[in-house]
Amino acid sequence: NAGVTQTPKFQVLKTGQSMTLQCAQDMNHEYMSWYRQDPGMGLRLIHYSVGAGITDQGEVPNGYNVSRSTTEDFPLRLLSAAPSQTSVYFCASSARVSGVRNTQYFGPGTRLTVL
Amino acid sequence: QQQVKQSPQSLIVQKGGIPIINCAYENTAFDYFPWYQQFPGKGPALLIAIRPDVSEKKEGRFTISFNKSAKQFSLHIMDSQPGDSATYFCAAITGGYQKVTFGTGTKLQVIP
Repeated sequence: NAGVTQTPKFQVLKTGQSMTLQCAQDMNHEYMSWYRQDPGMGLRLIHYSVGAGITDQGEVPNGYNVSRSTTEDFPLRLLSAAPSQTSVYFCASSARVSGVRNTQYFGPGTRLTVL
Repeated sequence: QQQVKQSPQSLIVQKGGIPIINCAYENTAFDYFPWYQQFPGKGPALLIAIRPDVSEKKEGRFTISFNKSAKQFSLHIMDSQPGDSATYFCAAITGGYQKVTFGTGTKLQVIP
């Protein structure tokens, strides 16, 4: 299994540009999430999905869109990039088992710089 | 607002020392408390986790101590090694979705 994969690893955008960060998992996990990691702030939840076709907002959703058309893929779209979105973005997935707290598996991250 | 407060922000210990990282929470709905370890350039990885009905859990050199009444928990690393140098995040989980709230992280450096 490849686990959770993210592309690209690095990206530089200009203010106002749009782009999509890709995330895929091959573990048949129902839960998938996007986080951003900023110095001194830990990981903050942007959006999450509990299954194909179902998404919801996390702590910092503004400026980002998501969709979940398949179990495997959960892309994150930046609509109009701003310097405040400069960050490292992590995708994560976990299994859904009733009554059990499951391990969340993280991808390697995408380092995004917005100029 | 920061629902899980973590301290210290950074920590330097000698090899063989016992670094201790502390976390505190307010939301009593949290029902699972994992710790993640992150090396530079990598995503976080689950290290150890505990439920609130347990006061201590050990896995190898890593121990979680949990004080439910004080709403505090901590990570101890016994006989620390330079390879333990990483950033450590505490976290708390609640809800059917398993929504995870992270602490702000502690950068640990173990000096040979």
